This record gives sequence, structure tokens and C-alpha cells, in this order.
Amino acid sequence: EPEVTQTPSHQVTQMGQEVILRCVPISNHLYFYWYRQILGQKVEFLVSFYNNEISEKSEIFDDQFSVERPDGSNFTLKIRSTKLEDSAMYFCASSRDGRGTIYFGEGSWLTVV
Amino acid sequence: SQQGEEDPQALSIQEGENATMNCSYKTSINNLQWYRQNSGRGLVHLILIRSNEREKHSGRLRVTLDTSKKSSSLLITASRAADTASYFCATVDYNAGNNRKLIWGLGTSLAVNP
Repeated sequence: EPEVTQTPSHQVTQMGQEVILRCVPISNHLYFYWYRQILGQKVEFLVSFYNNEISEKSEIFDDQFSVERPDGSNFTLKIRSTKLEDSAMYFCASSRDGRGTIYFGEGSWLTVV
Repeated sequence: SQQGEEDPQALSIQEGENATMNCSYKTSINNLQWYRQNSGRGLVHLILIRSNEREKHSGRLRVTLDTSKKSSSLLITASRAADTASYFCATVDYNAGNNRKLIWGLGTSLAVNP
């Protein structure tokens, strides 16, 4: 069964460093998302991406965050200058048409120290 | 306002028993999706129910949706220790423009004891 894959599974980074989290969505999907989950808290929406542009972003997704689809398969989330409060599990997700099932990857644990 | 509030927050049962988790939401929806998350792992999609459906089955899972009460329930029958996980409902509301994001609750933490 096709799946969303994410790398790295876990990354530890120093505060202020840049981090890039990578995702390969399911190949025929058109909608892409990043969500995050701080330990013990709700899953929070960060950004949705469709037709090579951001379709919606949350308040969390400030100027420190950016997304890119550099080629036909990868979808990346960049955090420019990490803060301690960015420590969370980051989930990439994709959906074929935005109306049905949204499939998630295994997540990337980010620990900012 | 919060969407997708599950209850109970925690549930502990014996293997073989049924587990019922409930979810309430506030806005209109196009569909509601249930996910499972094993500790520290990814979100696994279980079942999607559309706003015009009332009940859906998948293996040992049964989901109901009552749009008049803005609530859904997930029933796991004949539970197994491997069902131990957190269960989340998430809703999609297309009425909010082009918005297709999922809005999540805090989840129900299910422990199935052998």
C-alpha cells in the first residue's frame, strides 16, 4: 500500500539552527500538509499546499517556517532558526483530492536543545 | 473554539471487551476521520465517514455519525492488547473556503489489558 515517508525520523538540533524535514507524499496525491504535535498536546495544523503554492497556513506557521516542493516527489518543511518551543513531532500528510482520506507519515521528532 | 473533543480521555478495558470512544465537534463538516496513534508513532488512518452517512464498518471497527448532535462514536469490538493506542477524531469542513485541513481533538488513550 502506498505510504507517506518522512526523513529524518528523529533530529536533535541546537537552538537557532536551521532544520529541513523531508517528506515524500503518495505519488498521485495533489494536496500536501504539515502538522505538528507537541508532546501530550493536540495535533496542530501548520500548512496546506496545493498546485505549487500554500493554500492555507496557521498562526504557528510564521516567517521562520517555509515549505517547498523542489521536484515532483519531495515536499519539505524548513524551520529557519529553531526555538526550544519548536520541539515536537512533525507530520507530513497527503490527500488525493482534499476531500477524502488524508494519509500521514510516521513523523519526524524534532528536539531543539 | 475546540473541535473534535473525544471522550473519555482515557479508557482501560480487558482483552475481549468492546471499547467505545465518542467525539463531538462544533462546526459543520464534510467528513469525519478516525485515526490511531501508537505511542510516539505516526497517525494511522482507520476510517472515514461522510456527513451523509450514519454508520460505517471496517473489520472490528464500527463508526457512527450523528450530524444533528454533532457527534461520532468509534466502537472496537473484541479488543486485543495490540489495540492499545490513542484514538483521535478529526473533521474536515469545506465550508471554510478552500480549507481542507483536519481539526483534531486531544484523543482517547485506550489501554487493553491482557
